[in-house]
Amino acid sequence: AQSVTQLGSHVSVSEGALVLLRCNYSSSVPPYLFWYVQYPNQGLQLLLKYTSAATLVKGINGFEAEFKKSETSFHLTKPSAHMSDAAEYFCAVSPSGGYQKVTFGTGTKLQVIP
Amino acid sequence: DADVTQTPRNRITKTGKRIMLECSQTKGHDRMYWYRQDPGLGLRLIYYSFDVKDINKGEISDGYSVSRQAQAKFSLSLESAIPNQTALYFCATVGTDGGYTFGSGTRLTVV
Repeated sequence: AQSVTQLGSHVSVSEGALVLLRCNYSSSVPPYLFWYVQYPNQGLQLLLKYTSAATLVKGINGFEAEFKKSETSFHLTKPSAHMSDAAEYFCAVSPSGGYQKVTFGTGTKLQVIP
Repeated sequence: DADVTQTPRNRITKTGKRIMLECSQTKGHDRMYWYRQDPGLGLRLIYYSFDVKDINKGEISDGYSVSRQAQAKFSLSLESAIPNQTALYFCATVGTDGGYTFGSGTRLTVV
């Protein structure tokens, strides 16, 4: 069994401030973890993924996430928010090994304030 | 062309009507998925297919059916649409690394 909890359905940050979106997972086997971004009126786009290699994963648009097994967390960060980062972000988990069913979190909407 | 194409982008239909949402992909992936997205609920899996002859129900398959016409095509049907099927529907494919490629979605409204 696997699940994902995203803390905070809405997060607001000022432009230039640190972005931190929280994700905790539960998995009975070693997980693969993903972050997706959804811009208005678009589908989800893969930001980054953890597949048991380096625990610090760098993605597109300056985002990164760190896999912390002891904390069962995979939080998404970006040092300096841009207006273009305003979107909804989804954390997802699947059992490791590829081709496994993915479970999505309920999403966090990021607002960037000028 | 997009890797995953969904048609139509928007659709309004009446209660009781049959409607089909279509999905095609150029990724060459065997595995295809249909999800629905509702505010505050994230994405929920409706059906998935591992190849043309392998169709599986997801967590919310009641009221839906699918057809895998070819490796590249996977359609979702609502046999008799009802208002609580109003949602945003996404088709996706997945590669060996587990990362999904999503279509742009179909916004369906049942009145």
